[in-house]
Amino acid sequence: AQSVSQHNHHVILSEAASLELGCNYSYGGTVNLFWYVQYPGQHLQLLLKYFSGDPLVKGIKGFEAEFIKSKFSFNLRKPSVQWSDTAEYFCAVNSGGSNYKLTFGKGTLLTVNP
Amino acid sequence: NAGVMQNPRHLVRRRGQEARLRCSPMKGHSHVYWYRQLPEEGLKFMVYLQKENIIDESGMPKERFSAEFPKEGPSILRIQQVVRGDSAAYFCASSPYGANEQFFGPGTRLTVL
Repeated sequence: AQSVSQHNHHVILSEAASLELGCNYSYGGTVNLFWYVQYPGQHLQLLLKYFSGDPLVKGIKGFEAEFIKSKFSFNLRKPSVQWSDTAEYFCAVNSGGSNYKLTFGKGTLLTVNP
Repeated sequence: NAGVMQNPRHLVRRRGQEARLRCSPMKGHSHVYWYRQLPEEGLKFMVYLQKENIIDESGMPKERFSAEFPKEGPSILRIQQVVRGDSAAYFCASSPYGANEQFFGPGTRLTVL
């Protein structure tokens, strides 16, 4: 069974700091990778996704993620965070014949102080 | 285009009662998925439905839980005889045919007293 690990439970940054949130998955085959964000009181929104091609994926709001197959990683990055980026971030993966079944990490709560 | 709608947003039940959670997919989406998020955990897949069909219910507890997506109306996740361990956030997602990307609703937070 596949699993997803997010290394940081809670990250606290000041505005303009750079962000990197770790995500590792365990599955040896072809995977699709996603980052979702949940702002306070709102629903999950897709930030970015990787299916194939260029391993550096750009998403909305200045976020990007890099798929490193040899490390089974899909880390999320943003060069300069804003207070409005305060939210919970979830990494997710699906694969193979059950490509509808998303497996999520436990989430990382990001707090950005003004 | 309205997003995925879930209601109620918050639901309080006493042990032994029934909980009914509703999900209206985005317009044009015929695939619905239910996920559960227990405290301090990530979302866990429960069930995948198409209109009038359950495609995969491998994540559903064997007893007390059922789901349906009728030809008309919203998808329903039903939990009979709720217990405290059922307290969680239940998220619904939808997608158009063949799409990998799922669009999520705001969730229903179930509290069992």
